[in-house]
Amino acid sequence: GEDVEQSLFLSVREGDSSVINCTYTDSSSTYLYWYKQEPGAGLQLLTYIFSNMDMKQDQRLTVLLNKKDKHLSLRIADTQTGDSAIYFCAEGRDDKIIFGKGTRLHILP
Amino acid sequence: DTGVSQNPRHKITKRGQNVTFRCDPISEHNRLYWYRQTLGQGPEFLTYFQNEAQLEKSRLLSDRFSAERPKGSFSTLEIQRTEQGDSAMYLCASSLDRGGEQYFGPGTRLTVT
Repeated sequence: GEDVEQSLFLSVREGDSSVINCTYTDSSSTYLYWYKQEPGAGLQLLTYIFSNMDMKQDQRLTVLLNKKDKHLSLRIADTQTGDSAIYFCAEGRDDKIIFGKGTRLHILP
Repeated sequence: DTGVSQNPRHKITKRGQNVTFRCDPISEHNRLYWYRQTLGQGPEFLTYFQNEAQLEKSRLLSDRFSAERPKGSFSTLEIQRTEQGDSAMYLCASSLDRGGEQYFGPGTRLTVT
């Protein structure tokens, strides 16, 4: 996962917005993904964006892509305790997915 | 069947033993992937299949590891002569076609003692 970088921890108060940032390296990646992993559970695909898009919104989730800077972000509006998990940024490259190390999102009461 | 399933969910084995894991993908999915995840890391790609053909293997996949998908449906991952460094979560994913969405199974957690 050394080609996809993301901060390891984020603490957010319940009800606030969470923004998780990520940088990737391969400009030829076609898809960029956000996966969620809860303790003891598998990976859940949250959302993905094609590299020719700038933004994608899905209910409380907003993905922004800056292809020039190879920067991807995930915004979770109105963060809830159920959003507590590890969030993985990933890029699709050559038929496989390259993952970052994950950002652990901690919700403060 | 609404998702990818993996068996067993947990496996504890002694160093030097062989282990085999199974993955059943979503039924209409052509592509099947194996990843390995160690503590504090993201999943790392191991190998993938298009139907029954194994198309790519990572350098992480030493010669002690072998994967098969004999009929283009379920897949097995075997590790021979296990080492403590093999302890990890082994994840399987499937997708309908090239690119797009990969759906992951719950994983098999291997502990080598």
